[in-house]
Amino acid sequence: ELVLTQSPGTLSLSPGESATLSCRASQSFSSGTFAWYQQRPGQAPRLLIYGASGRATGIPDRFSGSGSGTDFTLTISRLEPEDFAVYYCQQYGSSLIFGGGTKVEIK
Amino acid sequence: EVQLVESGGALIQPGGSLRLSCGASGFNFGSYSMNWVRQIPGKGLEWISYISSSSNTIHYGDTAKGRFTISRDNGKKTLYLQLNSLRDEDTAVYYCARSLGPRVGIALDYWGLGTLVTVSS
Repeated sequence: ELVLTQSPGTLSLSPGESATLSCRASQSFSSGTFAWYQQRPGQAPRLLIYGASGRATGIPDRFSGSGSGTDFTLTISRLEPEDFAVYYCQQYGSSLIFGGGTKVEIK
Repeated sequence: EVQLVESGGALIQPGGSLRLSCGASGFNFGSYSMNWVRQIPGKGLEWISYISSSSNTIHYGDTAKGRFTISRDNGKKTLYLQLNSLRDEDTAVYYCARSLGPRVGIALDYWGLGTLVTVSS
């Protein structure tokens, strides 16, 4: 069974800093089905990155995704106040799986 | 503008049934695969089910198998999720979400605001 492990659990940063979020899969599957989502408090998730590195419609270029196989990274450069949220990775093996989330909080 | 609006959430007793609906607008609903995802308040995301544009292909996560049924009516631009034999642990916000592409597992590019299902006696 595919498991996605996100690290760190919480990231404390200041606006203007960069954030690096990690997602490690227990098995290797196609990067074509790997995605990142942002969820702000009280809101639905929003797609940020699809296919491991493709930026979704309307997503600022300060968000970038990379990785393949079992290790994927979401980088947020120059954190804006609205970027403080929870981020989830997603992959498809025999089922669509989400990671446990990384909370990016204001330091 | 793409919009997905869920409805049908309610307070329901354990063992009960409920049908959730998701109305779509702003895009050609009949051309897109759709999904249901749920989130226990304060917890992470759990994928429930996928249905292809023509309903030919349906997939369920382990939680949903045997208890939940996904369906759609392209003429009414509506996605459904039938929830049966509900348990306390099914209490969650249920989201409908559009698939970015036709294959199961592709990223979910638009989400509704969700509807809350509370299972409690």
